[in-house]
Amino acid sequence: QVQLQESGPGLVKPSQTLSLTCTVSGGSISSGDYYWSWIRQPPGKGLEWIGYIYYSGSTYYNPSLKSRVTISVDTSKNQFSLKLSSVTAADTAVYYCARGLLVGATRFDYWGQGTLVTVSS
Amino acid sequence: SSELTQDPAVSVALGQTVRITCQGDSLRSYYASWYQQKPGQAPVLVIYGKNNRPSGIPDRFSGSSSGNTASLTITGAQAEDEADYYCNSRDSSGNHLGVFGGGTKLTVL
Repeated sequence: QVQLQESGPGLVKPSQTLSLTCTVSGGSISSGDYYWSWIRQPPGKGLEWIGYIYYSGSTYYNPSLKSRVTISVDTSKNQFSLKLSSVTAADTAVYYCARGLLVGATRFDYWGQGTLVTVSS
Repeated sequence: SSELTQDPAVSVALGQTVRITCQGDSLRSYYASWYQQKPGQAPVLVIYGKNNRPSGIPDRFSGSSSGNTASLTITGAQAEDEADYYCNSRDSSGNHLGVFGGGTKLTVL
């Protein structure tokens, strides 16, 4: 059973960089076909895809966030990470990591429990 | 990127059938996946592809698609089905799973 777990600071100051890590267990992040994803949800609002990374390092980002987002992968630790720069209060959200599948019937099949990140001074 | 449109709220009487819809141009070419989210919890995949259910999802959940509309049907809704439901599909480029619908809050009466 694949499990994902987010970790990182719960409070970030405006203009600083948000950094989160997702640790994958129960499966290898280097397995083909999967895109390791970040998705966020502002309080009381809907889901927003941030981007994802393939184990090879290829990345794909939401155009609306692309200028501020970096997603990286560490296959030796079975982890992938998110960095979001120049944050504002609008970036306050629960951040989820998830496993995405783009071949066949596309879907996000496993999700982390989510971590709330608040942007405030 | 393309957009997916959902009704904000839908209600159903206990034991009755409810359909939750998702509209968008990308759905003419690609299937949607559906996610159930209960308060304070992460989304859970309930339907993907033409009409596939992950292990553990009750068979009262089913999916269908026609034209630019994807539908999630719950046949015999239970109290525990009360939740927010989100659809997701590829964006306008067709390359990425970049688009979520705004979500539908399902109330079971």
